[in-house]
Amino acid sequence: QKEVEQNSGPLSVPEGAIASLNCTYSDRGSQSFFWYRQYSGKSPELIMFIYSNGDKEDGRFTAQLNKASQYVSLLIRDSQPSDSATYLCAVPEKVTGRRALTFGSGTRLQVQP
Amino acid sequence: GAVVSQHPSWVICKSGTSVKIECRSLDFQATTMFWYRQFPKQSLMLMATSNEGSKATYEQGVEKDKFLINHASLTLSTLTVTSAHPEDSSFYICSAASGVGTEAFFGQGTRLTVV
Repeated sequence: QKEVEQNSGPLSVPEGAIASLNCTYSDRGSQSFFWYRQYSGKSPELIMFIYSNGDKEDGRFTAQLNKASQYVSLLIRDSQPSDSATYLCAVPEKVTGRRALTFGSGTRLQVQP
Repeated sequence: GAVVSQHPSWVICKSGTSVKIECRSLDFQATTMFWYRQFPKQSLMLMATSNEGSKATYEQGVEKDKFLINHASLTLSTLTVTSAHPEDSSFYICSAASGVGTEAFFGQGTRLTVV
């Protein structure tokens, strides 16, 4: 079983809609979770991270964490064509001090104008 | 956020030659740097972790004699792909962190094409 799983998509939403991206993880001991956006041919950009159960909002983005069910999601409100990218869920490795990340395979989002 | 610069952004080399990729932290001291590889339509996979002044730690399946990592200073780590082959063609990305528990910042990546 992969440590971090995502649906590869593509997820297609119309402009202005809410895009919902999901991620499940296998290690119950995972404490924090990162969402990155990656445009084609570019390096990942950090969108936000979450470590407490519940919701965390930052502008148009909301991360939701449910540790009991071992899933984390990212909602993008008022989706724009510029949001079209691959979204990566990532979990830090367990070894203390290491900031290496285990990434999911990513979900490709397409926002239709 | 902090700035990590990776150079070159793309490189084409002939099979059998070696290629060096640099990763620099521009405005902070990076005690730890990570090297990832991303093949087309796949996610990032950690290759190795380097700590300044120490030997790098390689992930399982990554050949340490083929992917040479040097982290001689707190602002520079290099990855040398030796005797490159077409199957080494990939997107190589570094990230750098300043200390325990701190966020790691990504470089812009290097697209390596071996012909």
